[in-house]
Amino acid sequence: ILNVEQSPQSLHVQEGDSTNFTCSFPSSNFYALHWYRWETAKSPEALFVMTLNGDEKKKGRISATLNTKEGYSYLYIKGSQPEDSATYLCARGATNKLIFGTGTLLAVQP
Amino acid sequence: GAVVSQHPSWVICKSGTSVKIECRSLDFQATTMFWYRQFPKQSLMLMATSNEGSKATYEQGVEKDKFLINHASLTLSTLTVTSAHPEDSSFYICSARGLAGATYNEQFFGPGTRLTVL
Repeated sequence: ILNVEQSPQSLHVQEGDSTNFTCSFPSSNFYALHWYRWETAKSPEALFVMTLNGDEKKKGRISATLNTKEGYSYLYIKGSQPEDSATYLCARGATNKLIFGTGTLLAVQP
Repeated sequence: GAVVSQHPSWVICKSGTSVKIECRSLDFQATTMFWYRQFPKQSLMLMATSNEGSKATYEQGVEKDKFLINHASLTLSTLTVTSAHPEDSSFYICSARGLAGATYNEQFFGPGTRLTVL
């Protein structure tokens, strides 16, 4: 994998469902993996910075895991709420820059 | 904390004119600011990195004479799109990083500017 890839591109779930999406990245020369939540017309909000293989981070109902050896990170949302509707971006850290995926657009139906 | 503002949020201009976009860190000192561009259905693409008081470093393929970046203070960076053309129409977004975020390049983003060139 040369670039950062995110899947699925979009996701529609019902309120209360748990969901997860994937970020894949080159496993060589890993430095850090960032997750952002981006609501329409707002600034992307930093969720997690993950640096170590096996890292697991949690913020409320949102959690993320990291596997640097195989080059992927999962973002989980437990009991989705309409306010979780947003685009979730991941980015891998490279030399003084971030390289972003295209994001996963999550829509939570009440 | 870590709030970044961007102005204007949208702008429409005529072809050939120049447009200036401001990016401000409101509650921290941004030693480094970044400018990104996003085309529809694509990822955020880094255009340039600027350090306070220094010339910006542009990514390959980004014309420095067309996209002028100034980072004169620790709280303000500006991007000027000179002689704008319709193909410059895009979403431009800035981010800022303080000294504390340098280790893992933790960036805080503005809300972006939608530029439409007629």
